[in-house]
Amino acid sequence: ELKVEQNPLFLSMQEGKNYTIYCNYSTTSDRLYWYRQDPGKSLESLFVLLSNGAVKQEGRLMASLDTKARLSTLHITAAVHDLSATYFCAVDGESQGNLIFGKGTKLSVKP
Amino acid sequence: ETGVTQSPTHLIKTRGQQVTLRCSSQSGHNTVSWYQQALGQGPQFIFQYYREEENGRGNFPPRFSGLQFPNYSSELNVNALELDDSALYLCASSTGQGALETQYFGPGTRLLVL
Repeated sequence: ELKVEQNPLFLSMQEGKNYTIYCNYSTTSDRLYWYRQDPGKSLESLFVLLSNGAVKQEGRLMASLDTKARLSTLHITAAVHDLSATYFCAVDGESQGNLIFGKGTKLSVKP
Repeated sequence: ETGVTQSPTHLIKTRGQQVTLRCSSQSGHNTVSWYQQALGQGPQFIFQYYREEENGRGNFPPRFSGLQFPNYSSELNVNALELDDSALYLCASSTGQGALETQYFGPGTRLLVL
């Protein structure tokens, strides 16, 4: 069974601090996706990582992919309150169009 | 450019009823995928439609069915509703077959089955 595991599932951090969210997966997928979801809202695409060693950065978020270790990380630098949301990683499943998502990491950034 | 839209936004049904959810894909997109997101969980793939044909299906029973229309909009139909069908239903559109392109998600329809 294809699995995507994220940790931590809950993360409370102070503004200005750094932290990393981890995403392990069991497929041989070369692509990994990160999405953000605000409460009651839909999913917003953050990053698409297309190959081993890929690194992408947008503002205070940086995502990387190690396909050999089947691991992706989402690093948060100097967190601000606006980053509070749930972050999902996902990989391609076996069926066409099938994304397999992790359970999400609920991030809360406190002043 | 118009994004992905879904209707209705909220819906309450009772067990055994049938429901139809609608999705309009983003302009220029010909592929629509449907996902079910239970509270506190990640989305789960239901199926995908590409050029009006079902193109892939997740582990959902046949009472979950769908359609795609020539304008690439799509419907998700669920028959014989069960309490566990209560969830946020998301559709996502993309420009190509499969997940080769980034999927853009709509705002979702929140379904409550009583």
